[in-house]
Amino acid sequence: VQLVESGGGAVQPGRSLRLSCAASGFIFSNYGMHWVRQAPGKGLEWVGFLWYDGSNKDYADSVKGRFTISRDNSKNTLYLQMNSLRAEDTAVYYCARDVVESSGWYLDYWGQGTLVTVSS
Amino acid sequence: EIVLTQSPGTLSLSPGEGATLSCRASRSVSSTYLAWYQQKPGQAPRLVIYGASRRATGIPDRFSGSGSGTDFTLTITRLEPEDFAVFYCQLYGSSHPVTFGGGTKVEIK
Repeated sequence: VQLVESGGGAVQPGRSLRLSCAASGFIFSNYGMHWVRQAPGKGLEWVGFLWYDGSNKDYADSVKGRFTISRDNSKNTLYLQMNSLRAEDTAVYYCARDVVESSGWYLDYWGQGTLVTVSS
Repeated sequence: EIVLTQSPGTLSLSPGEGATLSCRASRSVSSTYLAWYQQKPGQAPRLVIYGASRRATGIPDRFSGSGSGTDFTLTITRLEPEDFAVFYCQLYGSSHPVTFGGGTKVEIK
């Protein structure tokens, strides 16, 4: 299993950025996927989640209405469209695979992350 | 919304010692929904424990999880040099979006 994020970089407040997460080593279309972020020197913050088929999604209140998660199962890729970016969105963004089973709900594989810096 | 509070914030220990990390939920949760992650500097988080007490694939048996209701514990017996890291507990389940605790840093004394 491998998850590789890309698309991070420096962007001005109010602008947009799209992150990608390329998946391999598993049947991508069978799994829900999450985005989790980590501000510099801070803890983990969940950003949002998308079902395996894209039919259901959920977002943290801090990004609701500004961020959109989507996926292209034909390309084994997850996306995070980030609009109206703010300084407080500065963070390393991770994608992670979702597992839901009778013994537990958890994120079992994570990408290496991509850094987004929002600054004027 | 359920809040997860981890304690202590930092644990200073020597290799070979044992570590006990606490995660307290603001309301009772099913143990099925409680997981622990380890994060080393510059690396992504790594799943350690899920379902409160089940070790993830490849995790050595010196790591164990326990607890129920509002109080959960991650125990590391005989700390190895590679175990020093930040550990996060996580709640995720039915009616519970993903929530992380603030983390406990296990540092070398």
